[in-house]
Amino acid sequence: QVQLVQSGAEVKKPGASVKVSCKASGYTFTSNYMHWVRQAPGQGLEWMGIINPSVGSTSYAQKFQGRVTLTSDTSASTVSMDLSSLTSEDTAVYYCGRARGSSWFEAADFWGPGTLVTVSS
Amino acid sequence: DIVMTQSPDSLAVSLGERATINCKSSQSVLYSSNNKNDLAWYQQKPGQPPRLLIYWASTRESGVPDRFSGSGSGTDFTLTISGLQAEDVAVYYCQQSYTTPHTFGQGTKVEIK
Repeated sequence: QVQLVQSGAEVKKPGASVKVSCKASGYTFTSNYMHWVRQAPGQGLEWMGIINPSVGSTSYAQKFQGRVTLTSDTSASTVSMDLSSLTSEDTAVYYCGRARGSSWFEAADFWGPGTLVTVSS
Repeated sequence: DIVMTQSPDSLAVSLGERATINCKSSQSVLYSSNNKNDLAWYQQKPGQPPRLLIYWASTRESGVPDRFSGSGSGTDFTLTISGLQAEDVAVYYCQQSYTTPHTFGQGTKVEIK
């Protein structure tokens, strides 16, 4: 069965960086792209970017361009999301979501449980 | 960016009655090469990740009850819950994947009347 296991909650100071990982199992890791989506407390869903785990190609939302980096480690079946220059507005639950297929245009059919990142001085 | 606008923001429906959620995109999300709309619907319950209900505007994801249906094309879409159950209380989001960023609607909260 498909499983996405995310790294644990983080508390960071403003200006710091955070790395959230998402380990996939139960399917061929390189056959499906991976989305990253975040949700601030009490707010809606916000799409951040997508990665092709096979070759590491990425597409980011303009809002996060220059601050976010998605990477893939095929040997570990893991994708990671690095977010730098954190502010309190980055406090949110960060989700990875497996795209239905190997394209930029597929919805996410399986999701990780989410990782809470808290930015506070 | 494509702006996704849902209506209403919230609705209360009696058990067994129909719930209808609308989603409008600021430009067409119909992919002409395959005639499919890159529009998905998700359900999210408190403390849980989103759950995919519908993709390509009207294709139900495996395991989703058939009381959930999606319709529409181009810029106007609808999610219908026919016969609301207590477990359907949640926030529902539409999302376009026609172009990046894959924007979401603001969400519609469905409650029991």
